[in-house]
Amino acid sequence: DSGVTQTPKHLITATGQRVTLRCSPRSGDLSVYWYQQSLDQGLQFLIQYYNGEERAKGNILERFSAQQFPDLHSELNLSSLELGDSALYFCASSVAGDNSPLHFGNGTRLTVT
Amino acid sequence: SQELEQSPQSLIVQEGKNLTINCTSSKTLYGLYWYKQKYGEGLIFLMMLQKGGEEKSHEKITAKLDEKKQQSSLHITASQPSHAGIYLCGAVNYGGSQGNLIFGKGTKLSVKP
Repeated sequence: DSGVTQTPKHLITATGQRVTLRCSPRSGDLSVYWYQQSLDQGLQFLIQYYNGEERAKGNILERFSAQQFPDLHSELNLSSLELGDSALYFCASSVAGDNSPLHFGNGTRLTVT
Repeated sequence: SQELEQSPQSLIVQEGKNLTINCTSSKTLYGLYWYKQKYGEGLIFLMMLQKGGEEKSHEKITAKLDEKKQQSSLHITASQPSHAGIYLCGAVNYGGSQGNLIFGKGTKLSVKP
């Protein structure tokens, strides 16, 4: 068990809808990362937060947004969903925003129908 | 942008056999991470390498970073069914913020009992 908790585990929704994915980092970790994993693209970095502030942005679409709250949990919001957004979304956390290893949650599997 | 290429893409070995997975970077590696993923689950951190020539071992898994810091290998000795899964290498994104990891597409390992 990595100590990173993601909810829900599975999510099925229709095109055009909006969903929120939730992540609780390991106790003591200040940095939270969101990744998207699909068969064709592999594991893609979306966005990183450190102690409540956005630290880095990757291949995150404008329809997607995230935030990290004062208690350090994070949410990833996906809106105007398209079929191509179906993927496994991972949250990871680390002690700081440096080279310390990332610890991953078990992911949220999103299916857009 | 930096890219990580893993080889082979998939591997089937008989239990007890040794195997090696390679990860090659298009740019100098400033931190190389190996993870293991079971299908549909999160990534489990295995090892981190930072210095050229560095070698680390954990149980029957050994990882090395070459002197030029552009290639890493993961070697499993006397493979067991519990080693089966997808092995991914990750690297600090060159020119990106620290902690922002990019990943190879993974090597799928199957171990036949």
